[in-house]
Amino acid sequence: SQQGEEDPQALSIQEGENATMNCSYKTSINNLQWYRQNSGRGLVHLILIRSNEREKHSGRLRVTLDTSKKSSSLLITASRAADTASYFCATDYDYKLSFGAGTTVTVRA
Amino acid sequence: EAQVTQNPRYLITVTGKKLTVTCSQNMNHEYMSWYRQDPGLGLRQIYYSMNVEVTDKGDVPEGYKVSRKEKRNFPLILESPSPNQTSLYFCASSLYERVGTGTGEQYFGPGTRLTVT
Repeated sequence: SQQGEEDPQALSIQEGENATMNCSYKTSINNLQWYRQNSGRGLVHLILIRSNEREKHSGRLRVTLDTSKKSSSLLITASRAADTASYFCATDYDYKLSFGAGTTVTVRA
Repeated sequence: EAQVTQNPRYLITVTGKKLTVTCSQNMNHEYMSWYRQDPGLGLRQIYYSMNVEVTDKGDVPEGYKVSRKEKRNFPLILESPSPNQTSLYFCASSLYERVGTGTGEQYFGPGTRLTVT
């Protein structure tokens, strides 16, 4: 079953702007993770937020988690052309990882 | 270099011809898993393994088999491939921290693009 669902499906922004994408899920989680994928390559782990955490930062990334609403958001600040990629949230529960369909982000120079 | 390797990277085969996609990691990770990625569907987990000789079904296990005889290797077997198994396949591994905290950060292989005609 596909746990996480990202919104929007696609996002186009100007270099230097912020990009925000959201993830909603349906059941319990141990943690929620965000990944980046460039053009059909392997996924790269960005950040993991545990179910008892509300916010986490890593460089230009900020992730929030609201377990009462079963939602998470990923904010990329001061975007660069190299941030152009697909971004996936993944819910981690009971040793299974469930990914959403992803948000495709295009950063225009 | 810490990595997950998959072979082959590209494979075109015919319906019914058994094939194996290999996956190997050099990070001494306990947890390994296989995913397939199809347009618009994201990644779906096929099988996962908590450790040697311990495997379990993911969300889409039909038509696939796995084995975990060594900690570093987790091959994916398609005994009778069909066209609906045409997909991009990823292997991943992680060092899960402790019971109740989940599988942890996944390290993905580069992918295997499989076409079944």
